[in-house]
This record gives sequence, C-alpha cells and structure tokens, in this order.
Amino acid sequence: RKEVEQDPGPFNVPEGATVAFNCTYSNSASQSFFWYRQDCRKEPKLLMSVYSSGNEDGRFTAQLNRASQYISLLIRDSKLSDSATYLCVVNSDSNYQLIWGAGTKLIIKP
Amino acid sequence: EAGVTQSPTHLIKTRGQQATLRCSPISGHTSVYWYQQALGLGLQFLLWYDEGEERNRGNFPPRFSGRQFPNYSSELNVNALELEDSALYLCASSLGVGSYNEQFFGPGTRLTVL
Repeated sequence: RKEVEQDPGPFNVPEGATVAFNCTYSNSASQSFFWYRQDCRKEPKLLMSVYSSGNEDGRFTAQLNRASQYISLLIRDSKLSDSATYLCVVNSDSNYQLIWGAGTKLIIKP
Repeated sequence: EAGVTQSPTHLIKTRGQQATLRCSPISGHTSVYWYQQALGLGLQFLLWYDEGEERNRGNFPPRFSGRQFPNYSSELNVNALELEDSALYLCASSLGVGSYNEQFFGPGTRLTVL
C-alpha cells in the first residue's frame, strides 16, 4: 500500500459546481498535512495546510479524519482557473519528511 | 521576500555528460529538497539537505548526488546522463526539521538529455 494515495482523476466538473477530493495516508502517527496545487509544467504551490479542526480559506475547505486516516479538499463554486492537479502531502513522523501523493487532476469546464 | 530560485531554467545535455543544477532557498530556510518530475508523472523525491548534511535520499542511483553550502544554497549533480533523466528538476526549501515544515518550490530546471 502506498503511503499517500489519491484518485488520479481526471475529475471533469462544470464551472460553478462543488467538487471534493479525498486522500488516504497509511502512517497513523502523521502529524501534518497539506494540499498543494500544481499547474501544468509549473512548480507546486502550497494551497493550504490542514489542521485537526478543519480549516477554510474562501471557497476551499480542508478536513482531516484521523480515525479513517484521510484528508479531504472541498472546492465550492469552482472556477475555470481551479483547473490543476491537486497534491496531497503528509509528513513522515519518523524523520519529518513530507510524503507526496501522485495528485488528482481537476478540469473545470465552462 | 525573494522565493526559491533555481538555475539554469533550461539545460540541454547529451548522453554520458554531467549536469549541475543550482538552488537558492528562501532566506532563513535551512532545508533544501530536490525532486524529479518526468512529463506527466508525479514528484519523485531525490535528496534532502539540512544544515549542510544529507538527511535522506530517494530511490535513485548514486550518479545523482548533491551538496549544500554554508549559505544553504544547494547543487544537484547528475553524472553519466541517460535519456530517461530528462525531466523537470524541482528544488524546495523549508524552515528545517520539524513537524510543520511546509515546502516552497522554485520554478524548476528543465533538463533535456539528447
């Protein structure tokens, strides 16, 4: 089993819709979680950190479920500019190294 | 505040040559990470340096090596280049060892091996 797993997609979603991704992780001792966004042929950029209580940043909401070992990202009122690959990242408790998921591709259609 | 910088932007080499890629972290960051991303694929972890020491290494052959300088900048060296080494090489920096170490990326060096 991979340490961090994501549905590769692509998710094809109409503009204005709500879309959600899940990401599962295998190390129950992981402490920190992040969502990054990567546009085609560009570097990944930090979208948001994921806190235990869940957190929201505008149209984006991140949730952590420690019992089931997954994190989620919800995007409301999706925009064309949200089209990108979304990377789930989890810290490796043993050496603080970040473990990267392979990413979920999102395509927002007009 | 300046972000992570990488040079060169593009690099074209032939098989068997050596490539040297450079990275300057965000000021105050002591950790530097190197990743390889082949076209259409995910990030593959290469190397992690912190305070001048190699902290961890990904599943790559020894011809991939690097170092971190006293000013925390870093160099990635790839010897005996092979065609499959063609990829985007990304450098990231963070505040160092710790649980909440978000990484911030440079724009990458696109290496093409002919």
